[in-house]
Amino acid sequence: TQLLEQSPQFLSIQEGENLTVYCNSSSVFSSLQWYRQEPGEGPVLLVTVVTGGEVKKLKRLTFQFGDARKDSSLHITAAQPGDTGLYLCAGSQGAQKLVFGQGTRLTINP
Amino acid sequence: SAVISQKPSRDICQRGTSLTIQCQVDSQVTMMFWYRQQPGQSLTLIATANQGSEATYESGFVIDKFPISRPNLTFSTLTVSNMSPEDSSIYLCSVARGWTSGRGNEQFFGPGTRLTVL
Repeated sequence: TQLLEQSPQFLSIQEGENLTVYCNSSSVFSSLQWYRQEPGEGPVLLVTVVTGGEVKKLKRLTFQFGDARKDSSLHITAAQPGDTGLYLCAGSQGAQKLVFGQGTRLTINP
Repeated sequence: SAVISQKPSRDICQRGTSLTIQCQVDSQVTMMFWYRQQPGQSLTLIATANQGSEATYESGFVIDKFPISRPNLTFSTLTVSNMSPEDSSIYLCSVARGWTSGRGNEQFFGPGTRLTVL
């Protein structure tokens, strides 16, 4: 069974601070997605990483895929209240089902 | 990406009854998935629904409890049968076009159906 360990599960910080969310596994994934979900909505895809060592940036969000494609991180710079939400990582091996991490519930306080 | 709608968006049901949730996509997709998300938790895959074949259920989920239809490439339904309060959850459908170079195995989600069973 592929497992994705996501940490931390809860994070509450002040506006302007930086933070990092981690997603780790003992399995190799061919691709990994990060999603953000807000209350009452479905998860929205933020980014997909497919190459070991790949780094992608989305405004203040930086995503990295580990060299061995077993882990990933999401770094947010100068967090804003609009970043509040549930962040989910999900990995897959080929064209198969996604395996989701437990999620990180992020709260940014003004 | 794809535009995905679900009906109903929410419902309150009595135990012992059944509810059918619809998922409509604005384009043809090969793979559709149904997930359950219990309050404050991550997503758990119920089944994979590919057009033209029987749905494939994950461990802990059975067809009698969660029958699925996939009549064409843009539509699917999930029925939650003989409901109990433990079935209170958000039910989400998602779609995927399969592995593509540079984009991996991306899935796109509907807005979810919030089900409360009394």
